[in-house]
Amino acid sequence: AQSVTQLDSQVPVFEEAPVELRCNYSSSVSVYLFWYVQYPNQGLQLLLKYLSGSTLVKGINGFEAEFNKSQTSFHLRKPSVHISDTAEYFCAVTRNTGNQFYFGTGTSLTVIP
Amino acid sequence: GAGVSQSPSNKVTEKGKDVELRCDPISGHTALYWYRQSLGQGLEFLIYFQGNSAPDKSGLPSDRFSAERTGGSVSTLTIQRTQQEDSAVYLCASSLVSGQQETQYFGPGTRLLVL
Repeated sequence: AQSVTQLDSQVPVFEEAPVELRCNYSSSVSVYLFWYVQYPNQGLQLLLKYLSGSTLVKGINGFEAEFNKSQTSFHLRKPSVHISDTAEYFCAVTRNTGNQFYFGTGTSLTVIP
Repeated sequence: GAGVSQSPSNKVTEKGKDVELRCDPISGHTALYWYRQSLGQGLEFLIYFQGNSAPDKSGLPSDRFSAERTGGSVSTLTIQRTQQEDSAVYLCASSLVSGQQETQYFGPGTRLLVL
């Protein structure tokens, strides 16, 4: 079975400070990993995804994530956040077989001016 | 056209009533997913449609839940005899083709409240 853990339910951070949102998954098979963002009153949209190849993945809006197989982690980072980054962030994993996507419980990022 | 649309955006119903939630995927997208997002929970997979193949219903929580996809486009999620624990945001997503690598495009959701 799959599971995705986002350890931090809420992360407040000052504008222009760096941020890391943590995501760990459990799986004994190869997986694909995703980060989605949900801005207030909007639907989820893809930030970035890891399918294969380089473990450092760059996404939209200056975000990046690093796949660490040994630690089964896929943490999301941004070196300098903006007010507009305030949103809910979801980590998701799927196996390379089957149809199901497994989402974490989300991390609410609040950027403080 | 535009992105995935869902209707209604909000639905309040009484316990025991049936509700229908609608999803219009992006034109040309062959794969369609339904998820449920309860307060404080992640997205819970409900059902998956791919083209004309039999849907993957493995995530439906009970036989009160069912879904259809007509003509490979619009989908309807039906909840019969609603219960208070059904209160949640129901999200629909579509992707161009099937496959785990594919990006899903989400609708804004339907917020269901069962009194």
